Amino acid sequence: DAGITQSPRHKVTETGTPVTLRCHQTENHRYMYWYRQDPGHGLRLIHYSYGVKDTDKGEVSDGYSVSRSKTEDFLLTLESATSSQTSVYFCAIRETPGLAGSYEQYFGPGTRLTVT
Amino acid sequence: GENVEQHPSTLSVQEGDSAVIKCTYSDSASNYFPWYKQELGKRPQLIIDIRSNVGEKKDQRIAVTLNKTAKHFSLHITETQPEDSAVYFCAASGTTSGTYKYIFGTGTRLKVLA
Repeated sequence: DAGITQSPRHKVTETGTPVTLRCHQTENHRYMYWYRQDPGHGLRLIHYSYGVKDTDKGEVSDGYSVSRSKTEDFLLTLESATSSQTSVYFCAIRETPGLAGSYEQYFGPGTRLTVT
Repeated sequence: GENVEQHPSTLSVQEGDSAVIKCTYSDSASNYFPWYKQELGKRPQLIIDIRSNVGEKKDQRIAVTLNKTAKHFSLHITETQPEDSAVYFCAASGTTSGTYKYIFGTGTRLKVLA
């Protein structure tokens, strides 16, 4: 599982409330990603990070912010949750390239978020 | 922007038959093409990948082929088994300004009928 954990694993919240999801990794990988998964849309990139305090937007970043103050933690925040943000959220890491130059990406277990 | 199209969206095959899933990518800078298998309620799991300097790669019953000129890549599963039933995602990745992003297809639900 590449040492990736996500918390919480399940959350139900009300429209308009702030929500923070946490991704934690134990293997010092530089790149971390947040995706959302919805039926018919596959996995869509929300934000990603290429180092501490280095982040960038993905294709569906509106309504989301991220922070990475430590290598091991990548936080995703919904400032004011909406029903359209009901989804399964996956964190992922990209392995730090070795001599052969690895490009492999591994996923965390996911967080199921319901906004009522 | 970058896009990956995946077909078909659903695929049913008889046990023992072969299954083929196809993807097309738009970004010519893409140089890495992984395939993921996702079982119900689980995380996507990497099953095979290919880099742009290789045309084909095999791992037991699964293989991936890449046609860079046409920007096509495909997943081939031979001798399908019921445990192959899952959703499969293709993705394309490349370096843009020194960062690495992955664009995913919308998935193929494979059903292997016993």
